Amino acid sequence: DAGITQSPRHKVTETGTPVTLRCHQTENHRYMYWYRQDPGHGLRLIHYSYGVKDTDKGEVSDGYSVSRSKTEDFLLTLESATSSQTSVYFCAISEDRKSYEQYFGPGTRLTVT
Amino acid sequence: GEDVEQSLFLSVREGDSSVINCTYTDSSSTYLYWYKQEPGAGLQLLTYIFSNMDMKQDQRLTVLLNKKDKHLSLRIADTQTGDSAIYFCAESTTDKLIFGTGTRLQVFP
Repeated sequence: DAGITQSPRHKVTETGTPVTLRCHQTENHRYMYWYRQDPGHGLRLIHYSYGVKDTDKGEVSDGYSVSRSKTEDFLLTLESATSSQTSVYFCAISEDRKSYEQYFGPGTRLTVT
Repeated sequence: GEDVEQSLFLSVREGDSSVINCTYTDSSSTYLYWYKQEPGAGLQLLTYIFSNMDMKQDQRLTVLLNKKDKHLSLRIADTQTGDSAIYFCAESTTDKLIFGTGTRLQVFP
């Protein structure tokens, strides 16, 4: 398995609070991604990074921000959590864009009450 | 726009073959993928096919690609209870993957 960890694995938070999820990789892969998984929607891309300090938006980026100050860490922040952001969040990594082979972390289950 | 569609459920008897289908819209996709997700886990890459191929076989897995109809299928031979999971197809676009909604495969004895 690719060396990808996510923390925390589970979190319950209240509406309006900020939340930060962390993805850590030991593979030295250039690309990192944040997805959310919801019933009936599959996986939807929130943000991705193609290098340190280089990030771009995905299809569902509203309400989320990201940062990547080191190759190995990619942080996802919910500035002010809402109930619609209750979801399972997955981080993924890939070595390059050419093959698009992505390897996934174990996920973080976030509940916003 | 970009869209990948799959049926939601498939139920098969242990030992039978399973066929999971997927349709996609981006004819410029270079690669198409099948991922497996077991309960409580992340997605695991099962196999992928390059768009200039029409078939790829890997042990019990056979991937068929009909580029004209933009149709992708995954056949699992001799399906086992350990194959019970959600299966996602995905197509590659310029800078990201587009995932389908996933097909939940249930294998019964």
